[in-house]
Amino acid sequence: GIQVEQSPPDLILQEGANSTLRCNFSDSVNNLQWFHQNPWGQLINLFYIPSGTKQNGRLSATTVATERYSLLYISSSQTTDSGVYFCAVRTGTASKLTFGTGTRLQVTL
Amino acid sequence: EAQVTQNPRYLITVTGKKLTVTCSQNMNHEYMSWYRQDPGLGLRQIYYSMNVEVTDKGDVPEGYKVSRKEKRNFPLILESPSPNQTSLYFCASGKGGRGLGYEQYFGPGTRLTVT
Repeated sequence: GIQVEQSPPDLILQEGANSTLRCNFSDSVNNLQWFHQNPWGQLINLFYIPSGTKQNGRLSATTVATERYSLLYISSSQTTDSGVYFCAVRTGTASKLTFGTGTRLQVTL
Repeated sequence: EAQVTQNPRYLITVTGKKLTVTCSQNMNHEYMSWYRQDPGLGLRQIYYSMNVEVTDKGDVPEGYKVSRKEKRNFPLILESPSPNQTSLYFCASGKGGRGLGYEQYFGPGTRLTVT
C-alpha cells in the first residue's frame, strides 16, 4: 500500500515563529488533506489539496503531485496551533484515507 | 452548518454489553466511513459505505457491525465489546464515487473505554 511519511515528528516553537511541515507519499494520489488534531482529540480539516497551493489565514499548503510531496506552512504560530498535524492521502480507487504518522507541534509562550 | 455528528462523545462500558455509536451527516454525502485511532497504530478504517445499503469491510472490521439504511446515518455497532476495542472512533463522510478524489469530513470523535 501507499506509504505516507511526515517530518519532523516533533516540533517545539516559540509563539510568533514560522514553521514548515512536510508530507512525502510513495504513489500518485487523487486526494490529499491536512488535518489538525487538537488536544481534545478532534480532527479539524485544514486543507483539501491534491495539487497546487492554498492559503487560509496564517496557514498555507502546497502539493507538488508530480514529486509526491506536500508542505504545510504555519506563520506567526500561536499556542492554539499546538496539537498533531496529519496529512492523509487517497490513491486510485481506495476506499479510505491513509494517514501519515503526524507531526506533533508544541507552541510555547 | 455542514457537519458530521457523533454520539455519544464519551462512553465507558463493560465487556459484553452491546452498544451503538451513531453518526449523522447533513451534507448529502454518498460515502461514509468509520476509523479507529490507537497510539502507535494511527487511524485505521473499520467499515465504509459507498451509498445506501452498500457497506464493506475496511482494515479492522472484526467485532464491529454497521448499517446504512438512510443516506445521512451510519451507525457503528459493537455487539459484544471487549477491552481491545477501547479506542478513539471517528466517523467520516464525503461526496463522489469510487475513483474520484473527494474531500472527507470527520466527526468530533467518540472516546470509548471498555472495562
